[in-house]
Amino acid sequence: TQLLEQSPQFLSIQEGENLTVYCNSSSVFSSLQWYRQEPGEGPVLLVTVVTGGEVKKLKRLTFQFGDARKDSSLHITAAQPGDTGLYLCAGEWDTGNQFYFGTGTSLTVIP
Amino acid sequence: ETGVTQTPRHLVMGMTNKKSLKCEQHLGHNAMYWYKQSAKKPLELMFVYSLEERVENNSVPSRFSPECPNSSHLFLHLHTLQPEDSALYLCASSQDISSNEKLFFGSGTQLSVL
Repeated sequence: TQLLEQSPQFLSIQEGENLTVYCNSSSVFSSLQWYRQEPGEGPVLLVTVVTGGEVKKLKRLTFQFGDARKDSSLHITAAQPGDTGLYLCAGEWDTGNQFYFGTGTSLTVIP
Repeated sequence: ETGVTQTPRHLVMGMTNKKSLKCEQHLGHNAMYWYKQSAKKPLELMFVYSLEERVENNSVPSRFSPECPNSSHLFLHLHTLQPEDSALYLCASSQDISSNEKLFFGSGTQLSVL
């Protein structure tokens, strides 16, 4: 079983602050996805990255894929209460077409 | 309706009960999935269906029985569950099961087994 580690597990910050969460594996991903899950809802896809070193921006969210394709980070600028939720990364390895999920980072943005 | 719809949203059952979870997708997708989400654990893929045929069964106990009568509907039949089966059960769909597919999730069924 492939292991995907996310850190930190919990994060509580004030509105307006910046933050970064991480997703790491000892194996090389063929692709990686980031999802956000709000309480009482299912995860919603934010971005897919496939190329080592790739950087994608989605408004205040910046996603980076490591050069070696073993890790990824999500940076949020000027966090807002609407950013509150569970951030999940999901990695796909060359061994199959299945995405394996991390345990997530639970983010709370305090107004 | 659009997206992926799951019913019921909440379910409480005893260990001797039989119940079913229902999932319906209105996206015209060919693949559907059942995931289990437990506290402090990664989402676990349980079953994958492609064009109504099961293509993945990740060592799930036989007390969970999936059914996919057509490409729009997916069921998870439950019987003689254990308290440790209490979790959020998420249904998802994607256009196909090829690489880099975008998963669309339902809101889940929160299951409590007493």
